[in-house]
Amino acid sequence: GQNIDQPTEMTATEGAIVQINCTYQTSGFNGLFWYQQHAGEAPTFLSYNVLDGLEEKGRFSSFLSRSKGYSYLLLKELQMKDSASYLCAPYNAGNMLTFGGGTRLMVKP
Amino acid sequence: DAGVTQSPTHLIKTRGQQVTLRCSPKSGHDTVSWYQQALGQGPQFIFQYYEEEERQRGNFPDRFSGHQFPNYSSELNVNALLLGDSALYLCASSLLTDTYEQYFGPGTRLTVT
Repeated sequence: GQNIDQPTEMTATEGAIVQINCTYQTSGFNGLFWYQQHAGEAPTFLSYNVLDGLEEKGRFSSFLSRSKGYSYLLLKELQMKDSASYLCAPYNAGNMLTFGGGTRLMVKP
Repeated sequence: DAGVTQSPTHLIKTRGQQVTLRCSPKSGHDTVSWYQQALGQGPQFIFQYYEEEERQRGNFPDRFSGHQFPNYSSELNVNALLLGDSALYLCASSLLTDTYEQYFGPGTRLTVT
């Protein structure tokens, strides 16, 4: 089975930096996805980590430690439009995603 | 190039009824996965179809069934609807050989009364 843990809610200020952590226990781990989901909309792809280390993509970065079962998503220069849920999803063999409950991020002025 | 499309957008059904949801994958994709997302929760994997066969299945009862057609489009059927089946149903398409691309459709909001 798989167990994924991420904070339920976080609040941050516009222009600041926020780190959303995710820990997981899974069998057959092949990588980890982060998705962004605005209320009432479909999840949209943010990042995919296979190897340990940091992947940077503009204002968003994602880190993975396979040995620790740990990942984080780093959002810099926060904007109001970044208010959304952020979903951590380990990927196992067979093209199957298992999602955590998501972290609802509220960005305040 | 159309992305993943789903129909209908919204649906209201009564307990005990049956429902069919539809999904057309992104052009070039051959694999379709279905997810159920209850309000305030992350998506839960229902099953995945490839080459018209169910390839993987999550922890959902047999009331949930599906089908994939030769053109790769897919249907999700739910029988004997329960109030707890009310959720956003998401379809995601991908290429079996390419882990990287997992594209989600806009979803179908099902309400069971």
